[in-house]
Amino acid sequence: SQQGEEDPQALSIQEGENATMNCSYKTSINNLQWYRQNSGRGLVHLILIRSNEREKHSGRLRVTLDTSKKSSSLLITASRAADTASYFCATDATSGTYKYIFGTGTRLKVLA
Amino acid sequence: NAGVMQNPRHLVRRRGQEARLRCSPMKGHSHVYWYRQLPEEGLKFMVYLQKENIIDESGMPKERFSAEFPKEGPSILRIQQVVRGDSAAYFCASSSILAPKDNEQFFGPGTRLTVL
Repeated sequence: SQQGEEDPQALSIQEGENATMNCSYKTSINNLQWYRQNSGRGLVHLILIRSNEREKHSGRLRVTLDTSKKSSSLLITASRAADTASYFCATDATSGTYKYIFGTGTRLKVLA
Repeated sequence: NAGVMQNPRHLVRRRGQEARLRCSPMKGHSHVYWYRQLPEEGLKFMVYLQKENIIDESGMPKERFSAEFPKEGPSILRIQQVVRGDSAAYFCASSSILAPKDNEQFFGPGTRLTVL
């Protein structure tokens, strides 16, 4: 299976609710990043969290990283219809190959 | 400051034709990465290049696919004799040589290849 796997695969919530997505990975990492992709569009970088960080915030986004469990979570608070998109985590390996390994993504649908 | 640029944004080819995808990295970036995204899937690493050098092509199919990043001009991903299974979105990313450890990659908008 892949290095990064998001959970759940799909999530449907009402506008105003919080959305939580999880990502698990297998090998040691330098950093982990979250991206958003609107249907049929490119990737938008959301947050980078380094392996020595535990939590980061950016606006309505909150990312946590637990290196002991090899997992990360992305929380979107007070969701809006415009948050409807697929969300991917991407990890790089400490081996220094620099390539990102993406999960299969969580498809978030926010209902107005 | 322009971001990563890719062209064309959409490309339609018939089976057996060649597809050429171009990527201009962000200004000052000398590291380029190509990824492929099949429908409903995440991005899969294909190749990592620096100027005039292929550093890691472990994700690239052995046949029909090639990539280059010349001293001058954009990086090119070339797919020869395309087949229907090559239909996908191809994303290019670039990063700065100044921060290899952080390796923050900036992605282009992608090229959507459709093979008829």
